[in-house]
Amino acid sequence: KNQVEQSPQSLIILEGKNCTLQCNYTVSPFSNLRWYKQDTGRGPVSLTIMTFSENTKSNGRYTATLDADTKQSSLHITASQLSDSASYICVVSALHSGGGADGLTFGKGTHLIIQP
Amino acid sequence: NAGVTQTPKFRILKIGQSMTLQCAQDMNHNYMYWYRQDPGMGLKLIYYSVGAGITDKGEVPNGYNVSRSTTEDFPLRLELAAPSQTSVYFCASSYSEAWGGANVLTFGAGSRLTVL
Repeated sequence: KNQVEQSPQSLIILEGKNCTLQCNYTVSPFSNLRWYKQDTGRGPVSLTIMTFSENTKSNGRYTATLDADTKQSSLHITASQLSDSASYICVVSALHSGGGADGLTFGKGTHLIIQP
Repeated sequence: NAGVTQTPKFRILKIGQSMTLQCAQDMNHNYMYWYRQDPGMGLKLIYYSVGAGITDKGEVPNGYNVSRSTTEDFPLRLELAAPSQTSVYFCASSYSEAWGGANVLTFGAGSRLTVL
């Protein structure tokens, strides 16, 4: 069964500090991995999408890494801001063989709180 | 360009009542999806549609129905509400299949449903 595990479950850091969120997956066959940011009371918004051949991808202060061999990804946030307080969801896509579900497996998310 | 619009934002239902969650997108996306998000859990796919007139079940379809008469609209129907359907519901859309390539899902803001 395809699974996506995220750690930590929740994290509190001070404004201006860096942090790293982890995502381990057992999805096969792998297509791509996405990180979404979900603000409280809002829908998820895409931060990055990484395919098999990509090791690193940045979006402003967000940098995602992917190790397809160990099936691990991380999301690094640099110089955190209060607006970074949100849940961060790792989503892994399997190559779809036709019919049935959407091929996406969602992690439970890491709840990040930035304190002033 | 409003993106994905969901209504209502909040709703309280009594057991056995019926209701429809509305979803509309103005991006001319072919694919639309309904997910539910339970506390501390990853998003689960309820139903999806690959175009007008075509719908298919996701991972957790029981107790729900959908229709797709136009490209823009994808309503979700709850026929006999049960406490287990208390959740936050997200509608999403994409240009092509969610699992393919690096296709990005655009989510609505969510509809919080409580069944008492």
